Amino acid sequence: SQQGEEDPQALSIQEGENATMNCSYKTSINNLQWYRQNSGRGLVHLILIRSNEREKHSGRLRVTLDTSKKSSSLLITASRAADTASYFCATAYSGGGADGLTFGKGTHLIIQP
Amino acid sequence: GAGVSQSPRYKVAKRGQDVALRCDPISGHVSLFWYQQALGQGPEFLTYFQNEAQLDKSGLPSDRFFAERPEGSVSTLKIQRTQQEDSAVYLCASSLLDRNQPQHFGDGTRLSIL
Repeated sequence: SQQGEEDPQALSIQEGENATMNCSYKTSINNLQWYRQNSGRGLVHLILIRSNEREKHSGRLRVTLDTSKKSSSLLITASRAADTASYFCATAYSGGGADGLTFGKGTHLIIQP
Repeated sequence: GAGVSQSPRYKVAKRGQDVALRCDPISGHVSLFWYQQALGQGPEFLTYFQNEAQLDKSGLPSDRFFAERPEGSVSTLKIQRTQQEDSAVYLCASSLLDRNQPQHFGDGTRLSIL
């Protein structure tokens, strides 16, 4: 079963605007990762934030993590048409449990030119 | 190649047939993961290998699913006596060490069971 939840499920904005996606999860984690998936393709890793980090940047991407609220956000600044894709958060749980990542259902982002 | 390679890209089989899906991970990557992705959903974990050892198969939906990585490199996911609910995209990913590093995904195999 999928433990993470992204919000919103779909987002449509104009090119040049900022896009913000949120993710919530349920149990303690080692790290949280964000991935992008273009239609018909595999997932591409964007950024990894560890449980002891609160914010991380990579180019136009900014990720925050609030472990007390069990939530994360991904901000894409100055969006481009090429950013159109589905975005997933994935958690690596601490302690026992499955060794793979647990993904949410994703946010489908559409950038209007 | 430099990335994770999966074959075939598409597979159509009749209900009851056996199928085998192949994954070539990035050379030198210790960990290999298989995920199942239904349409409009996020990937769901199936199984995990560290080198040739299958350390976690908790996500395999039934005993019809079997995975192996005999030499710690190429992996095969086999589904016996396929059912319609097995229709999905099967994704393979590898990472340098374990799940606490970024995972590199292949483009997946889209399996359709008729």
